[in-house]
Amino acid sequence: GESVGLHLPTLSVQEGDNSIINCAYSNSASDYFIWYKQESGKGPQFIIDIRSNMDKRQGQRVTVLLNKTVKHLSLQIAATQPGDSAVYFCAENVRLYSGGGADGLTFGKGTHLIIQP
Amino acid sequence: DAGVIQSPRHEVTEMGQEVTLRCKPISGHNSLFWYRQTMMRGLELLIYFNNNVPIDDSGMPEDRFSAKMPNASFSTLKIQPSEPRDSAVYFCASSLVGRGNSPLHFGNGTRLTVT
Repeated sequence: GESVGLHLPTLSVQEGDNSIINCAYSNSASDYFIWYKQESGKGPQFIIDIRSNMDKRQGQRVTVLLNKTVKHLSLQIAATQPGDSAVYFCAENVRLYSGGGADGLTFGKGTHLIIQP
Repeated sequence: DAGVIQSPRHEVTEMGQEVTLRCKPISGHNSLFWYRQTMMRGLELLIYFNNNVPIDDSGMPEDRFSAKMPNASFSTLKIQPSEPRDSAVYFCASSLVGRGNSPLHFGNGTRLTVT
């Protein structure tokens, strides 16, 4: 079946550097994508989202890029800090039924971002 | 905003016992989701509710699993009888869904260990 996957299971960067986490998705019908951050012992925390009618969206220190042609999603974190160490998940919207009802998300396996001092 | 509240945070039980996990969604949210997270399979959607009605339970692994949402502020996920392979972290999430998409807000999960 179609799924969302991540290219790199572990990414190590120096504190202060920029980091890029990549994600490939295979469901061409997906129209909404979200990045989550999960710290140890906690649930996934929303970072930023993007709709398929956009190719870039910026937040505070984070930028999400969407390339629908190659079905690729990336999360850029600027000036990484120790608190950015976590597992990052991309998720895609699988619209389970039409009409504005509940939308489930399919998650990738996650990338572990390690910030080195 | 208290966020999504799950209880208990940890549950250790013996094989064959009944387990009940609880969730209180964010007030005002109209959709609730149960996910299971393991190292091998990642985050898997088990079931979700919209306006307290179960919409899709195709992710529920077996008949041993059942979920209810008696009102807008409470949901349970029950496993009976539990088995060691059910050991995982179970997350509840809620969202407000109208015309468009909205992100899911997750609780901190219940870590279940079945011995």
